[in-house]
Amino acid sequence: KNQVEQSPQSLIILEGKNCTLQCNYTVSPFSNLRWYKQDTGRGPVSLTIMTFSENTKSNGRYTATLDADTKQSSLHITASQLSDSASYICVVSASGYSTLTFGKGTMLLVSP
Amino acid sequence: GAVVSQHPSWVICKSGTSVKIECRSLDFQATTMFWYRQFPKQSLMLMATSNEGSKATYEQGVEKDKFLINHASLTLSTLTVTSAHPEDSSFYICSATDVTQAYNSPLHFGNGTRLTVT
Repeated sequence: KNQVEQSPQSLIILEGKNCTLQCNYTVSPFSNLRWYKQDTGRGPVSLTIMTFSENTKSNGRYTATLDADTKQSSLHITASQLSDSASYICVVSASGYSTLTFGKGTMLLVSP
Repeated sequence: GAVVSQHPSWVICKSGTSVKIECRSLDFQATTMFWYRQFPKQSLMLMATSNEGSKATYEQGVEKDKFLINHASLTLSTLTVTSAHPEDSSFYICSATDVTQAYNSPLHFGNGTRLTVT
């Protein structure tokens, strides 16, 4: 069964600090891994998309890593801002968009 | 960039009535649209996949007669919750993509519709 596990479930950090969110998956065959940011009451917004051959991809202060061998990914947020407070969702695709497997997300709260 | 517009953003309806939610792709042709349901603090759950001009494919456990999906054009898909009950109260989100583009192109999401059935 395809699964995506995210940790931690929730996280509180001080503004300006860095943090790393984890995503472990057992999706096969692997096609790509996506990180999304979802603000409360809004739809998810794409941060990064990584394929099998990509190890690192950055989008501003967000840097995602992928280890396809261990089936792990991380999302690193640098110099956090209050606006980073949101749920971060890891989504893994097997083959085609209809086979997306969503993680439950990590709820990040950045406090002043 | 690509934008997916979802309307309404929230709706309150009485039990037994039907509610229609629209999902529009504003600057690209959405060959495929997806409808999700999300409960508080839960992940998105795929309800159905719809391809333009054909019948939607529903996930196991989703009642196709209760959640009517129409994808009549390349820019519009609708989800109608028929005979709504309080347990249908949830956050409904659509997403859209153009499958003629790269397989790993972004999947664009609407901003969701908060449905409350009283």
